[in-house]
Amino acid sequence: AQSVTQLGSHVSVSEGALVLLRCNYSSSVPPYLFWYVQYPNQGLQLLLKYTTGATLVKGINGFEAEFKKSETSFHLTKPSAHMSDAAEYFCAVSDYNQGGKLIFGQGTELSVKP
Amino acid sequence: KAGVTQTPRYLIKTRGQQVTLSCSPISGHRSVSWYQQTPGQGLQFLFEYFSETQRNKGNFPGRFSGRQFSNSRSEMNVSTLELGDSALYLCASSLAPGGGQETQYFGPGTRLLVL
Repeated sequence: AQSVTQLGSHVSVSEGALVLLRCNYSSSVPPYLFWYVQYPNQGLQLLLKYTTGATLVKGINGFEAEFKKSETSFHLTKPSAHMSDAAEYFCAVSDYNQGGKLIFGQGTELSVKP
Repeated sequence: KAGVTQTPRYLIKTRGQQVTLSCSPISGHRSVSWYQQTPGQGLQFLFEYFSETQRNKGNFPGRFSGRQFSNSRSEMNVSTLELGDSALYLCASSLAPGGGQETQYFGPGTRLLVL
């Protein structure tokens, strides 16, 4: 069965510092991977997704993620954190063999200190 | 183009009651999925509908049900509410059934509180 693990339920960085949110997945088939962001009292917004092709994926708001099959990882990064990046971030995997549902990690809450 | 809309946004019910939540997908999207979000269990898949047919169902009791109409709008119903049903219920729509490259676009959610 597919699963997603996000290391660190809370991450705190200073404004302007590198953001690194970790995601590891388990999958018996090539996965489709997603990062979503959730601001307070809102739904989930897609940041980026990996399907096939280039392993470095660029998303919105300056975020990017690299698919590393050998490490079964899909870590999210941003070179310079902004106060507006404070939110909860979810990594998810979609496996067609499981009928299309998204399987989410537990989420990482990102805090940005001024 | 309008996003996914969910009504109502907030709801308070008491144990034993039933509740119906509504979701209108993005125009042209025919697939609707529902998820439950709680602090303890995180985001969990409830079910997915495409062309008025349930394609997939998560591991929830039969008290949770749903349906999709010919205009792709979807409703989910929870009968005999329990305290543990308090959660944010998220609806997501996509052009085609999920499970592959299709992006699911989420609505703002309905926050249900069961007293």
